[in-house]
Amino acid sequence: AQKVTQAQTEISVVEKEDVTLDCVYETRDTTYYLFWYKQPPSGELVFLIRRNSFDEQNEISGRYSWNFQKSTSSFNFTITASQVVDSAVYFCALSETNYGQNFVFGPGTRLSVLP
Amino acid sequence: ETGVTQSPTHLIKTRGQQVTLRCSSQSGHNTVSWYQQALGQGPQFIFQYYREEENGRGNFPPRFSGLQFPNYSSELNVNALELDDSALYLCASRGPYTEAFFGQGTRLTVV
Repeated sequence: AQKVTQAQTEISVVEKEDVTLDCVYETRDTTYYLFWYKQPPSGELVFLIRRNSFDEQNEISGRYSWNFQKSTSSFNFTITASQVVDSAVYFCALSETNYGQNFVFGPGTRLSVLP
Repeated sequence: ETGVTQSPTHLIKTRGQQVTLRCSSQSGHNTVSWYQQALGQGPQFIFQYYREEENGRGNFPPRFSGLQFPNYSSELNVNALELDDSALYLCASRGPYTEAFFGQGTRLTVV
């Protein structure tokens, strides 16, 4: 069975600090896709990043970066120079398809960025 | 703005009643999924529809059912409501080559 674990329930940082959100996943599939979504107080889930299982190259996109390590089944997400608007609940998710369907979500990490 | 609209935004129902939640997707989004998100938890997959046919289901009982219409709208129906059905219900739609776009959800409270 597939499972996603986010051990950090809540994180508080001061604006401009860097913050890393941890994600560990379990799957028996050889091909799979990992996602990060952000859920602001308004409720909708906002797509942030996607990574497939056969590409472990880590990338940076603006203030976002991610570290995918297949050996440890981890897919960590870092926000550089955090801003108050980054305050939200962040979800790591696992899917069997490239664009995401039948997501298995983690329990989420609530990030509070203080001014 | 995701282009996915859910209605109503909030709803209060009594245990044992039936409820219908609605989702309107972007044109061309022929896949729609529904998720249940209990307070403080991650969303859980209920089921998915593709071209008006259910093609995937999570661990939810048959009293959770759905419909998808040709105009890219869809419904989630829940019969015999239980207190544990209280949650945020999220609709997600996508086209053939797009990520899933989520609506803002319907907050259902069962009393």
